[in-house]
Amino acid sequence: GIQVEQSPPDLILQEGANSTLRCNFSDSVNNLQWFHQNPWGQLINLFYIPSGTKQNGRLSATTGATERYSLLYISSSQTTDSGVYFCAVGRSSNTGKLIFGQGTTLQVKP
Amino acid sequence: DAGVIQSPRHEVTEMGQEVTLRCKPISGHNSLFWYRQTMMRGLELLIYFNNNVPIDDSGMPEDRFSAKMPNASFSTLKIQPSEPRDSAVYFCASSKTGGPEAFFGQGTRLTVV
Repeated sequence: GIQVEQSPPDLILQEGANSTLRCNFSDSVNNLQWFHQNPWGQLINLFYIPSGTKQNGRLSATTGATERYSLLYISSSQTTDSGVYFCAVGRSSNTGKLIFGQGTTLQVKP
Repeated sequence: DAGVIQSPRHEVTEMGQEVTLRCKPISGHNSLFWYRQTMMRGLELLIYFNNNVPIDDSGMPEDRFSAKMPNASFSTLKIQPSEPRDSAVYFCASSKTGGPEAFFGQGTRLTVV
């Protein structure tokens, strides 16, 4: 099956700092999503981005489908950004069947 | 939209007991997924349904686990008998048929003692 590797595994930032989270995957995919798991355990959709670049406020993401990677950028981080960020991929663009990476745990300190 | 609704949010049960987790997908979504999250294995797909039909159950760990989707608005995941190693957070997710974006419920934290 497809392997998904995220880096770094852990990240500690001071409030206001910027960060880049990386996701590498081992095979071609037609579905890629980024999620934020907040401290209460809820999985929140950030981006559906099988290719290209998207932005939503302080967050942006870019996926190089051919190069098999995706990056999630967090600018001007806030304490509420703390949690675990997951990259998840799927072969098909017709279904939400996903394979998850192990996540990046982000802690933003005030 | 109410989102994916799971119940109960927390369940504590004794080893050997039957456990039933419930899920209501987003209205209009035809695909439903059950995932399990553990520290050791992360988030892994157990089973998914399309139009109420199980399509892929290769992730179901063993025969003690079963899942049903009797109609488009309800699914259950049952563990019988439960074991301590089943302790995990179980997530239900749904997506539109032909749409790749999956939306997750708040999860059920299961503890088997």
